Amino acid sequence: DTGVSQDPRHKITKRGQNVTFRCDPISEHNRLYWYRQTLGQGPEFLTYFQNEAQLEKSRLLSDRFSAERPKGSFSTLEIQRTEQGDSAMYLCASSPDGYYGYTFGSGTRLTVV
Amino acid sequence: KQEVTQIPAALSVPEGENLVLNCSFTDSAIYNLQWFRQDPGKGLTSLLLIQSSQREQTSGRLNASLDKSSGRSTLYIAASQPGDSATYLCAVFSEDSSYKLIFGSGTRLLVRP
Repeated sequence: DTGVSQDPRHKITKRGQNVTFRCDPISEHNRLYWYRQTLGQGPEFLTYFQNEAQLEKSRLLSDRFSAERPKGSFSTLEIQRTEQGDSAMYLCASSPDGYYGYTFGSGTRLTVV
Repeated sequence: KQEVTQIPAALSVPEGENLVLNCSFTDSAIYNLQWFRQDPGKGLTSLLLIQSSQREQTSGRLNASLDKSSGRSTLYIAASQPGDSATYLCAVFSEDSSYKLIFGSGTRLLVRP
């Protein structure tokens, strides 16, 4: 197992375009999380999945954001009608059941121009 | 609502110095605390995970302590090296935050040769 994988590593898009990011968690991890990090700040929680069920969404996740985890495997995060304020690092993490800590991916850096 | 604070925000030390990074949290009802390292533009690498029943964890030149009752953790780095230059983040799992890690804003460390 190579850990948590995220694709793409970098994305530059024009304002108003839609973008989709992918996350492949560690295969035996049931929980998957999305976080967003802006420069100089710690990561902020966006949403989390227990298997295929999306159990919690932050108020940061406006209706332009949607996340899925079909079949409890990989996850996608889509941002519609991107805005310059969406520019950030989007981080994915996974963990087993219980309180055993997270493993993060390398992140996707989004720049909206 | 759990809040995590890290002091100082930035630190510059000469190579070879021992140093301490501080993390405080407002709600002592935590399950565990995790320290991460983040290099510029990269994802998060887990350094140490301390369960709420533990007082400290060690890995190589790193030692993390936890005092739940006072809401504090420290990360001690011995004999610092230029390769230790990075941002160090602490994060807690709280009883009131479901399965979300709550992060501090990090300490940016520069170790000068």
